[in-house]
Amino acid sequence: DSGVTQTPKHLITATGQRVTLRCSPRSGDLSVYWYQQSLDQGLQFLIQYYNGEERAKGNILERFSAQQFPDLHSELNLSSLELGDSALYFCASSVEGTYPYEQYFGPGTRLTVT
Amino acid sequence: GQSLEQPSEVTAVEGAIVQINCTYQTSGFYGLSWYQQHDGGAPTFLSYNALDGLEETGRFSSFLSRSDSYGYLLLQELQMKDSASYFCAVRHTGKLIFGQGTTLQVKP
Repeated sequence: DSGVTQTPKHLITATGQRVTLRCSPRSGDLSVYWYQQSLDQGLQFLIQYYNGEERAKGNILERFSAQQFPDLHSELNLSSLELGDSALYFCASSVEGTYPYEQYFGPGTRLTVT
Repeated sequence: GQSLEQPSEVTAVEGAIVQINCTYQTSGFYGLSWYQQHDGGAPTFLSYNALDGLEETGRFSSFLSRSDSYGYLLLQELQMKDSASYFCAVRHTGKLIFGQGTTLQVKP
């Protein structure tokens, strides 16, 4: 157990819908990262937040957005869903700037778009 | 842009040694990490190299050559539970850029 929690574990929705994925980082971690992992694919970095502020952005679609709240939990919003958005979405957290820069991953949310 | 190359699959027998290579091309580089992921599970951290050389953690070792943009993960005394996917990842301004992963199958 990494200490990172994600809800829901599974999500099934239809094309065109909007969903929100939630992540609570490990206690004390200020950085939250979101990754997308499609079937048989590597982990694609989407976005990073640090203490409520956006820190880095990857190849995140405009239909996707995220935020980090004052209690440090984060939400990833996916809208106008397409079949290709079906994937495992991982949240990770870390203590910024501390060797060996380990990121702790949550169990993931499996999103299925039908 | 950034790209990482690693073999898609490796097979080895229990008790053997296996090496998973990773080459990278990135516009910025702070270090190379390795993560393990069992089927459907969360990735877990294995090791990190910022400088050239070998880092050893139990049965796992990781090597980095910055001049060659190359690293590898060495797994010794393979066990069945080591069957998993292994990802190299470049640390770039705090975020991680992952390779496509290597699926290791350990056979009895």
